[in-house]
Amino acid sequence: AQRVTQPEKLLSVFKGAPVELKCNYSYSGSPELFWYVQYSRQRLQLLLRHISRESIKGFTADLNKGETSFHLKKPFAQEEDSAMYYCALHITNAGNNRKLIWGLGTSLAVNP
Amino acid sequence: DSGVTQTPKHLITATGQRVTLRCSPRSGDLSVYWYQQSLDQGLQFLIQYYNGEERAKGNILERFSAQQFPDLHSELNLSSLELGDSALYFCASSGRGGNSPLHFGNGTRLTVT
Repeated sequence: AQRVTQPEKLLSVFKGAPVELKCNYSYSGSPELFWYVQYSRQRLQLLLRHISRESIKGFTADLNKGETSFHLKKPFAQEEDSAMYYCALHITNAGNNRKLIWGLGTSLAVNP
Repeated sequence: DSGVTQTPKHLITATGQRVTLRCSPRSGDLSVYWYQQSLDQGLQFLIQYYNGEERAKGNILERFSAQQFPDLHSELNLSSLELGDSALYFCASSGRGGNSPLHFGNGTRLTVT
């Protein structure tokens, strides 16, 4: 079954500490993975997609097919990183229909 | 600015009533998605449209319905409202490619009293 797991509902770190938000997926095909961020119940925004292999706001995420993971990392957390983070798996099936599988989200709190 | 417009921003109504939420996707995007976000349920996928046709259905109640019009804007109709329907309703749109991300609107905050 296709599934995205974010094991931590809440993650609390101190400013300047490294942060890693975990995301594991279950999918037999070639995954397309994304991280979205939501600040203070505002709209969700795209943060990263695995295909871009970029760093946004100091965050990076590497797709590890062996471990079926797409963890989001930042070496030094900032208070403005406090937000809800969602990992999502995009699947395009045989009928060219897209299906999105969402994790339940991890709420990151960066304390001063 | 994501380019996705949702109206109204806020809606307060009574139980048993019916409301319509409106979404205009980003220019050129054919896919529209509706999501419900409540404090206890998190982000719940409701329904997806592509170029006017329903493509996927999620946890959408029978009291809820949606459609996408020829100009690609979409409406989500919620009827016989209950207190538990109070939530943030997000619309998102995306382009064609399989790795196209979703662009979300600012949401409509519905309060049922």
